Amino acid sequence: NAGVTQTPKFQVLKTGQSMTLQCAQDMNHEYMSWYRQDPGMGLRLIHYSVGAGITDQGEVPNGYNVSRSTTEDFPLRLLSAAPSQTSVYFCASSYNGLTDTQYFGPGTRLTVL
Amino acid sequence: SQQGEEDPQALSIQEGENATMNCSYKTSINNLQWYRQNSGRGLVHLILIRSNEREKHSGRLRVTLDTSKKSSSLLITASRAADTASYFCATVSYYGNNRLAFGKGNQVVVIP
Repeated sequence: NAGVTQTPKFQVLKTGQSMTLQCAQDMNHEYMSWYRQDPGMGLRLIHYSVGAGITDQGEVPNGYNVSRSTTEDFPLRLLSAAPSQTSVYFCASSYNGLTDTQYFGPGTRLTVL
Repeated sequence: SQQGEEDPQALSIQEGENATMNCSYKTSINNLQWYRQNSGRGLVHLILIRSNEREKHSGRLRVTLDTSKKSSSLLITASRAADTASYFCATVSYYGNNRLAFGKGNQVVVIP
């Protein structure tokens, strides 16, 4: 099993550009989520999904969109990138829910100029 | 917020020594989890301990939970250079919004 995969590993955007961060898991987990990690702040939840077709907002959802058309994929869209969105983004999945063991992808390091 | 707070924030030890780090939190919890993050990588789950448990072991890892003091400790015995990483605690609040709240992390450096 590949577990949780994320692409790209690195990305540089200019302010105002849009892009999609890809996330896929092959563990048949219903629960998937996106976090951002900033220096000195721990991980913060952006959006999450409890199953195909169902998404909800986390702690810091502004400027991001998600959709979940399949169990395997959970892409994160940046609508109009801002320098404040410079961060490392992690996708995670879980079998038992947002409060149980999370399996993380390797991360995408995004820089917005 | 409920997020755990790790202490010490940075720790440097010699290979073979034990490393202990603590996590404190503010409100009652359902469970507390520890994760490891090697440099440039994703987080890896280490141990989950529930509020009705006091101690759990996994290999060289030992986690304790003291709900009366609202704190947990992670002990790594006989540390190895490969244990060099950041360690995060994450809590699930008993009263909260059914989500994990991560602490800021604890940098451990094991010197060979």
